[in-house]
Amino acid sequence: SQTIHQWPATLVQPVGSPLSLECTVEGTSNPNLYWYRQAAGRGLQLLFYSVGIGQISSEVPQNLSASRPQDRQFILSSKKLLLSDSGFYLCAWADTYRAFYNSPLHFGNGTRLTVT
Amino acid sequence: KNQVEQSPQSLIILEGKNCTLQCNYTVSPFSNLRWYKQDTGRGPVSLTIMTFSENTKSNGRYTATLDADTKQSSLHITASQLSDSASYICVVSAEDSNYQLIWGAGTKLIIKP
Repeated sequence: SQTIHQWPATLVQPVGSPLSLECTVEGTSNPNLYWYRQAAGRGLQLLFYSVGIGQISSEVPQNLSASRPQDRQFILSSKKLLLSDSGFYLCAWADTYRAFYNSPLHFGNGTRLTVT
Repeated sequence: KNQVEQSPQSLIILEGKNCTLQCNYTVSPFSNLRWYKQDTGRGPVSLTIMTFSENTKSNGRYTATLDADTKQSSLHITASQLSDSASYICVVSAEDSNYQLIWGAGTKLIIKP
């Protein structure tokens, strides 16, 4: 069965510090991978998605970046965190071998990031 | 503008009672509609995915309905349990969006014993 791992679960970082959040998927190959951010009382906001190694699409211009160094590894990074980067970050995967329109997203348990 | 609106924003019911959550959308062209359950501090979990031709879809005690003409969906929970306490999120996919899903803000459901 497929599983998705996301860490750390919580993180407190000072403004201006770097960030690295990691997500790995097991039990599937060539998944679509996604990074979302969820603000309190708001819908999920898509930050990045990837359809393959080294292929990253950005949905929202910001000081965050993403990389996919391996097929089932997705990393969210920042060189200098802002207060506005605080939020709940979620990694997800979807099966590319089924038509995406009918394929559910499978989420990790998220990282609660607080920038102080 | 593609939007998904959910109501009510929050709901408190007693254990064992039924409830219905609403979702209205203005997404075009429509591809599919999804309902997710999100426990506090966890990632969302898919409950149902409904395409244009599906009017009703069940997953255990959860039943989703879709009216593509009025662009409305509902999620009915039968015989609620304490474990149903969560946020329920309606998500609509536009056919030409490929990877973009339009997410509602969710309904926070609290089940009281």
